[in-house]
Amino acid sequence: GENVEQHPSTLSVQEGDSAVIKCTYSDSASNYFPWYKQELGKRPQLIIDIRSNVGEKKDQRIAVTLNKTAKHFSLHITETQPEDSAVYFCAASIHSGGYQKVTFGTGTKLQVIP
Amino acid sequence: NAGVTQTPKFQVLKTGQSMTLQCAQDMNHNSMYWYRQDPGMGLRLIYYSASEGTTDKGEVPNGYNVSRLNKREFSLRLESAAPSQTSVYFCASTQSDLGNYGYTFGSGTRLTVV
Repeated sequence: GENVEQHPSTLSVQEGDSAVIKCTYSDSASNYFPWYKQELGKRPQLIIDIRSNVGEKKDQRIAVTLNKTAKHFSLHITETQPEDSAVYFCAASIHSGGYQKVTFGTGTKLQVIP
Repeated sequence: NAGVTQTPKFQVLKTGQSMTLQCAQDMNHNSMYWYRQDPGMGLRLIYYSASEGTTDKGEVPNGYNVSRLNKREFSLRLESAAPSQTSVYFCASTQSDLGNYGYTFGSGTRLTVV
C-alpha cells in the first residue's frame, strides 16, 4: 500500500521567515495531494491541495510543489506569522471505483517565534 | 451549513463499558470515515464507508464496529472499551464519487478510558 513520509517532525522559524515541509510517497498511482492544518485542540482543515497534472499551486502566502518523477511534494509558507503555528499534515490519495484512498503523513509541528 | 457534526465532544468510560460516537454531515457527501489521533502518530483510519450501504476496515479496526445508517450518518461503536482506545476520534466526509477532493472533518471526540 501507499506510504507517506513527512519531514521534519518539528520546525521552528522566526516570524517573517519561510517554512518548508516535505513529503514523499511510494505509490505512483497517487494523483491528489492535500495539505491540512491542525491548530491545537482543533480539527484538521484543508488549506491547499494539488493534483498530479499540476506542478505548482499558490494561494497567497502558501504554495505546494509536486515532483511526480521523484514522488515528492512540498508545502511552502512565506512571511510566516504566529497564527501559522500548528501541526501540518500532508496526504496522498488514489481515486478508484468511486472511492478515494487517502494516506496521511505523520505531521509537522510548526512553531513561529514572534 | 453545519458541515460535519460529531457527538459527544468529550467522554470518560470505564474499562468494559460500551458507547457509540455519532457523526452526521449535511453536505451530501458519499464517503465517510472514522480516524483516531494519538500523540505523535498522526491520523489512523479505523473504518470507512465509500458509499451508503457499504463499510470497510481501515488500518486499526480491532475493537470497533461501524454503521452507515443513511447517507448523512456514520456511527462508531466501542463494544467493550479498553484503555488503549483512549484517543481523539475524528469523523470526516468527502464527495469521492466525483473524484479526489479534500476531507471535511468534524470537531472530534476526546475519549478517555479508565
